[in-house]
Amino acid sequence: GAGVSQSPSNKVTEKGKDVELRCDPISGHTALYWYRQSLGQGLEFLIYFQGNSAPDKSGLPSDRFSAERTGGSVSTLTIQRTQQEDSAVYLCASSFTSGGAKNIQYFGAGTRLSVL
Amino acid sequence: ELKVEQNPLFLSMQEGKNYTIYCNYSTTSDRLYWYRQDPGKSLESLFVLLSNGAVKQEGRLMASLDTKARLSTLHITAAVHDLSATYFCAVTLANAGGTSYGKLTFGQGTILTVHP
Repeated sequence: GAGVSQSPSNKVTEKGKDVELRCDPISGHTALYWYRQSLGQGLEFLIYFQGNSAPDKSGLPSDRFSAERTGGSVSTLTIQRTQQEDSAVYLCASSFTSGGAKNIQYFGAGTRLSVL
Repeated sequence: ELKVEQNPLFLSMQEGKNYTIYCNYSTTSDRLYWYRQDPGKSLESLFVLLSNGAVKQEGRLMASLDTKARLSTLHITAAVHDLSATYFCAVTLANAGGTSYGKLTFGQGTILTVHP
């Protein structure tokens, strides 16, 4: 597709369950980012991928959070044993490169996660 | 730690009026971005500002950057209802090598409401 695609758009889960969130970046974009948007914390960086490797995972809030990227394209963010404080909108962004002059990040529509 | 602060956080404007949103950041930045977010939607890139004194304009919006003051402004001219949205500034942190990989640190966002 033309833009960054995320699925599902909404996810309701019970506390303690695992969830997987998917991001399909713009074709040809080598850099991929995950952010989280919540009322209390605003927009927070989670993790950055360059190709399939993740040089910066510093924003992942706990070891329950993990992410991978395969084939330099699709990325999956996994949250294990979800907690209510994990409820947020998870946004994925991609850019053509990471260090270019503009490096504009294009965002997907997000996955709204609700943990009951 | 890079901190980004916007003010005001809430802005109620009359159509036809002018106003400015301010974005301060705490350390040397590689580049500064302005994004717009409509309710329930993702972030749309508005401007990228790369150097001191940079000014970009698109329609009724004009953004500027003063790297010495670590300040960016988003000026709204003759506001119209369609500009109602949340506006975020975001910066990337230049690393020791003088480049950054594009991790965005966001301000809190300014919720703009334009009414007749």
